This record gives sequence, C-alpha cells and structure tokens, in this order.
Amino acid sequence: DQQVKQNSPSLSVQEGRISILNCDYTNSMFDYFLWYKKYPAEGPTFLISISSIKDKNEDGRFTVFLNKSAKHLSLHIVPSQPGDSAVYFCAASGAGANNLFFGTGTRLTVIP
Amino acid sequence: KAGVTQTPRYLIKTRGQQVTLSCSPISGHRSVSWYQQTPGQGLQFLFEYFSETQRNKGNFPGRFSGRQFSNSRSEMNVSTLELGDSALYLCASSLPSYTSSGANVLTFGAGSRLTVL
Repeated sequence: DQQVKQNSPSLSVQEGRISILNCDYTNSMFDYFLWYKKYPAEGPTFLISISSIKDKNEDGRFTVFLNKSAKHLSLHIVPSQPGDSAVYFCAASGAGANNLFFGTGTRLTVIP
Repeated sequence: KAGVTQTPRYLIKTRGQQVTLSCSPISGHRSVSWYQQTPGQGLQFLFEYFSETQRNKGNFPGRFSGRQFSNSRSEMNVSTLELGDSALYLCASSLPSYTSSGANVLTFGAGSRLTVL
C-alpha cells in the first residue's frame, strides 16, 4: 500500500517559469516531509524538508507547502532552470523514525 | 569528505543465485539504511542498521538480509534471486543530521543496479 503518492509521472516547464510538483500521503502520523532530487546514475540528493507543524518552508528558489488537512504537499521551484531537470521524490517519516516512505517520483523537464 | 560508496555498481545474476552488495557510509555516520528502487514503485525501505543492530525492517521476504560491521560498513544479501528482484539498490547513511525543520536527512550512494536473468 503506497502511503506516499506522486500522481504525475512527468512534468515539462519552460525555463524561467514556475514548476509545481505535487505529493499526497495517507498516514496522518507522518511528522516530516522531504523532497529529494535524483539525476541519472546518481543517488537521490536531499533538497528541502518541512515539519508537520509548519505549512511552508523556503530555501532559495525552492519552497515546500504543506496542507495537513488535505494530506497534500507541493514543491515550487521559481524560476525553473534547465539544471533542475531530474526526477523528484517526495518522502515522509514519523517522529524519531529513520525510515522514509517515498513516492514514485515525478520527472521534471525544464525546457530552455 | 567522501560520500556513500556502493559496490558493485552493476551486476547481472541468474535466477536462483544469491548476491551480496556492499555499502561504505560517510565517515562518522553510524546509521545505514537500504532501499530498493523499481520502476513504478519508487523507493521501498528494506532495513536500517545502527551500531551493528538491525533497528527497523521493511516489508520484504526473508530472502533479503543485511548486516553491519563495527566500522559501520554494511552489506545486504539476497538469496534465491527472482526476476522481480531486478532493481536499483540504494544505501543511505545518516549521522543523524537534522535539518532546520527537524527532519533526519539521509545521504544516498549511487546505488547497485542488479539485473536478474
């Protein structure tokens, strides 16, 4: 049973525009949510995270929004750059837990 | 500093064989986790080791096993390989290193791609 879902397998965006990647989860016990980025032939790299007590976290061009009532989070990338083209994974964990539940990923392509 | 190192990067096995994958964590990291990545399933948690003890285990059959050594290096083993075991196996280590939000960040290796024929 997939507790973290990314329903869009792919997304294409023009350079300079906003990229919005979405993620839904089913387990209300999740306390932390993370986004990882993965390039081909490399392992996933951490991008940004948010605690369940917050609804927004920003880091440069990247902002993650959390809507607990809807069990939904999104990653906004503004402005999008060609180097952002990668597969983005949403992940979640419970408090004190080291194991992450991952979504299936969204392949972002930023068109120059 | 050196990242998480996984060996071998690629390997091909046949059904019924067994395989051992190795992971060297970042120096100082004591927690090592293993994940299986397959198309359409994303990353699935296999198990986590801390100080040579398995601390957590995912929903995988007993054919999947692991261990951690005193220097924090870890191995995972898959016995009696099946075609469905073809996947990218990712190792991740953590200090733990918490972000400003409190989340524990895992640092992943590049993975070992296993093909079962």
